[in-house]
Amino acid sequence: QSALTQPASVSGSPGQSITISCTGTSSDVGLYKYVSWYQQHPGKAPKLMIYDVSNRPSGVSNRFSGSKSDNTASLTISGLQAEDEADYYCSSYTNAVTLVFGGGTKLTVL
Amino acid sequence: EVQLLESGGGLVQPGGSLRLSCVASGFTFRTYAMSWVRQAPGKGLEWVSGIRGGGDSTYYADSVKGRFTISRDYSKNTLYLQMNSLRAEDTAVYYCAKEGEIRYGLNYFDYWGQGTLVTVSS
Repeated sequence: QSALTQPASVSGSPGQSITISCTGTSSDVGLYKYVSWYQQHPGKAPKLMIYDVSNRPSGVSNRFSGSKSDNTASLTISGLQAEDEADYYCSSYTNAVTLVFGGGTKLTVL
Repeated sequence: EVQLLESGGGLVQPGGSLRLSCVASGFTFRTYAMSWVRQAPGKGLEWVSGIRGGGDSTYYADSVKGRFTISRDYSKNTLYLQMNSLRAEDTAVYYCAKEGEIRYGLNYFDYWGQGTLVTVSS
């Protein structure tokens, strides 16, 4: 199972919006609504930000939103803040009954 | 409060074995699927293995199938990962993670442990 494709890095200024893409195939992202997103700060465990494509867990800021079109899922962060600087990973269930993560995207807040 | 505490990591020679443990608390352990996810130094996340709440179904990534075995002990609220025939490329921080909803076996993880480092080297 190949990793989902994410851009290696994205950047934005405080207050701006950014979008991170996550491209899979018709065997994973395109087939299921089971896409999730995680935030990971250096040396820390990942934190769930979005599940089932667009649902936010309790306690996660509404500045974070998710969507999906065909084989590509997206995470949008609006009103960028300094604390949003982190690595972000997408994940999807697959038709092989496995989970696959994206390669990760480093977000830099300028 | 949900807590996941991993242990068992360390330095092991190629071809060797290691068993990781993850003690869970703060939720009904037998009702949720659990998984192991690893992260090689400076690299991204890789799902390794999962097990349903009842222990009746187990799942593995191709990279570890036939070498790793996931299991759980309900009397100890503990998740295990038995790792055999270890290779250098298995070097990583191993996280245990709790599935987010009872109905799912593999979907998303709402709680993660702090991780335990496994180093495979001679």
